[in-house]
Amino acid sequence: DTAVSQTPKYLVTQMGNDKSIKCEQNLGHDTMYWYKQDSKKFLKIMFSYNNKELIINETVPNRFSPKSPDKAHLNLHINSLELGDSAVYFCASSQARGASYNEQFFGPGTRLTVL
Amino acid sequence: AQSVTQLDSHVSVSEGTPVLLRCNYSSSYSPSLFWYVQHPNKGLQLLLKYTSAATLVKGINGFEAEFKKSETSFHLTKPSAHMSDAAEYFCVVRGPFSGGYNKLIFGAGTRLAVHP
Repeated sequence: DTAVSQTPKYLVTQMGNDKSIKCEQNLGHDTMYWYKQDSKKFLKIMFSYNNKELIINETVPNRFSPKSPDKAHLNLHINSLELGDSAVYFCASSQARGASYNEQFFGPGTRLTVL
Repeated sequence: AQSVTQLDSHVSVSEGTPVLLRCNYSSSYSPSLFWYVQHPNKGLQLLLKYTSAATLVKGINGFEAEFKKSETSFHLTKPSAHMSDAAEYFCVVRGPFSGGYNKLIFGAGTRLAVHP
């Protein structure tokens, strides 16, 4: 059973295009995240949603717009793609319990290549 | 501010020999620390976590890590490497609690290669 799934797995597109990546989790978690992993494997959080509400928004260009239609889904839409957007994007989910840490479960990643 | 430094970008061992992946942390308060593993073309999986209980933490697949406050270290070890351990390993610290939530701060990763 897939816990956190992302589509597509690979995405190759031209500069200037608009694309979306979808994420779904079937763990019943209330918090979802988007991370970006660059070519040097460095992972950094971009956004986090709790119960469809944006709670973490790092310094990300406003070309990136997350959308959470419900607790189980968090999609990432990217406008006017640039070469520097090429990366692997990971979705994750967890069950928030205030200050206590709860394991984040990661999806398999979406490798975005901008030509 | 919270941060982690993974001291080696690449580690290469022979199958059956011990593994040591080094991580130092910086935290203005008692940290929560984790090790995640990423196998090629896969997502990340939690290996183990330290959240101020026992300082020696056992994880999955025979890995363990020891929290040493005096050395600000959280090194990952395994007594005997297996070929399937070849992967990227990330040391992670929990960031500041803000707005009711934490975020994870990742180290740069250590690529572990295991040779026959």
